[in-house]
Amino acid sequence: DQQVKQNSPSLSVQEGRISILNCDYTNSMFDYFLWYKKYPAEGPTFLISISSIKDKNEDGRFTVFLNKSAKHLSLHIVPSQPGDSAVYFCAASSNDYKLSFGAGTTVTVRA
Amino acid sequence: DSGVTQTPKHLITATGQRVTLRCSPRSGDLSVYWYQQSLDQGLQFLIQYYNGEERAKGNILERFSAQQFPDLHSELNLSSLELGDSALYFCASSGTTFGYTFGSGTRLTVV
Repeated sequence: DQQVKQNSPSLSVQEGRISILNCDYTNSMFDYFLWYKKYPAEGPTFLISISSIKDKNEDGRFTVFLNKSAKHLSLHIVPSQPGDSAVYFCAASSNDYKLSFGAGTTVTVRA
Repeated sequence: DSGVTQTPKHLITATGQRVTLRCSPRSGDLSVYWYQQSLDQGLQFLIQYYNGEERAKGNILERFSAQQFPDLHSELNLSSLELGDSALYFCASSGTTFGYTFGSGTRLTVV
C-alpha cells in the first residue's frame, strides 16, 4: 500500500524557471514530511523538511508547502539550476521515525 | 561522505546464491534502516533496527533477513536469490531527530 504518492515520474524545466514537484499522502497520522534529492550512483540526501504544525518552510531556493486538509505537499525550486537535475523523493513519517517514500520525480533542468 | 558506509558497492551473483550486504551507520546513530530500490521504483522499506533490536518491518521477503550488531553495524542477508532481487539496496541511519542519512548503496545484480 503506497502511502506516499508522487504521480509525476518526470519534470522538465528551463534553467531559471520554477520547478514544482507534488506529493500526496494517505495516512493522516503522518506529521513530518521531507524531501530528498538523489543523483545517479549516490544515496539520497536530505533537502528540506516541514512539520505538520507549519504550512510553509523555506531554505534558499527551496520551499516546501504543506496542505494538511488536502494531504498534499509540494516542493518549489526557484530559480532552477542545471545542478538541480536529479531524482526527488518525497517522504513522510509519523512519530516512529520510519519514513515512507514516494516513487520519485526525475527533474531535468534544460539550459 | 555522508558518514554511512555500505559495502560492497557492487555485487554480481547467480540465482540461488546467498549474499550479505554490510552497513556502518553514522557515528552516534542508533537506528539503521534498509531500503530496496528496484528499477523505476521508489524506495521500499525493508526493515529497521534500533540499538540492536528489530524495530519495524516492511515488505521484506522471508528469504531476506537482517541484524544489527553490538557495534551498531548492520548486515542484510539475501538468500535463494532470484533475478527479481536485482536492485539497489540502501542503508540509512538516524539519531534522535527526524531525517535519515543514507549510504551510497549496494547495487546487486543477480544473473
